[in-house]
Parts: sequence; C-alpha cells; structure tokens
Amino acid sequence: AQSVAQPEDQVNVAEGNPLTVKCTYSVSGNPYLFWYVQYPNRGLQFLLKYITGDNLVKGSYGFEAEFNKSQTSFHLKKPSALVSDSALYFCALTNAGKSTFGDGTTLTVKP
Amino acid sequence: DTAVSQTPKYLVTQMGNDKSIKCEQNLGHDTMYWYKQDSKKFLKIMFSYNNKELIINETVPNRFSPKSPDKAHLNLHINSLELGDSAVYFCASSQVNGNEQFFGPGTRLTVL
Repeated sequence: AQSVAQPEDQVNVAEGNPLTVKCTYSVSGNPYLFWYVQYPNRGLQFLLKYITGDNLVKGSYGFEAEFNKSQTSFHLKKPSALVSDSALYFCALTNAGKSTFGDGTTLTVKP
Repeated sequence: DTAVSQTPKYLVTQMGNDKSIKCEQNLGHDTMYWYKQDSKKFLKIMFSYNNKELIINETVPNRFSPKSPDKAHLNLHINSLELGDSAVYFCASSQVNGNEQFFGPGTRLTVL
C-alpha cells in the first residue's frame, strides 16, 4: 500500500519569511511526486513534480521542493512568502498508475 | 478555452434521486479521473480511465457509475443519492496515467 502524509494541518508564516510545507511518503518502488495548490472554491492546480534527476525541483510561483529518498520526504519550500500564497496545498504520489494524495496543509501568510 | 470543464457547477437534489455530472477535457489527454473532496477537504480518487477504459476503481459504492463515450469525456452518474454523497466532485485529466493532473473547477453536490 502507498501513502502520503502531510503532518501539519496548518502552517502560518509572515509575509517575506521562508516557508516549508512538509510531506513524507511510503511506497514500494520509485514514485512520481507532485505538489498541487487549491485556492478557495477552485480546482487543484499543479505546482511541480519530481520524477528523476536533480533532487531540487523548481515549479510555478517561485515554489521549489526537495526530494530526499533516504527520508522519503518531498517538502515544499519558498524563500519569501506572499500573502497571495495562502491556500490549501496537497502533496501526491503516483506509482504503478495509482495516485494517492495527502490530506492537505492550509498555508496562511500574514502581512 | 477551458482545459477541463464540468457541468453543472452546483447540484442540489433530494435523497433517492439519480443525477449525472459531465466532464470534458480539450487537452488531448489519454487519462481522466474522478475525485471526491469531502467537507474536511480530504481528496479521494474514485475512478481513473485511460483511453475510455476503466483502469482504477477505488472502493466506491456501485451507485456510482462512470461512463466514457470518448477519451475527451468522462461522466459520472450517481443512483439513489444519499446524504453522505454531499461533497465537491472534481474531474481531472493527465497526458498519460501517472503524469501531472489538470483539474476541473468542481461540482458541489448537495443532497437534502
């Protein structure tokens, strides 16, 4: 069985500060890993993905994520948070054609 | 030129009714999905189709029946609606199974 854990329901940061949204996973094999963002009353939007290669992946809106195989983690990061980054973030993995999403982390960036 | 579209956006109905939600993608993708997002925002995959063929069917009551007339469309029909079916249903597509997914705007289903 495969699973994705987002250990924090909520992350609060001040505008301009760096942010990290955590994700760990459990799977047999080499999964594809993704981050998605959901703004209120909208569908999910793809941010970035890791398939293979460089462990640091850059994506949309200045976000990046670091793949760590030994810790089975794929944390989402941004050097300087914006108020407009406030949203619900989902980590997901796909393995053998099956997708599993984490429970989501609500990011709130305060001015 | 919306990439993944769903109709209707809102659906309010009585228990026991039958309803359908339509989904269309104009991205030329091979794989389409249905997800259910509950009131706590948890997202759960329901079905996945590849080139009109069902490839994943999670533990979903058989009151839910997906239909794919062609690879650009994946509709969801729900029989005998129950209160617990109230949720937001998202359609999504990906170029191939396993790639990043593009989501529709969602259909908010309320069963009274």
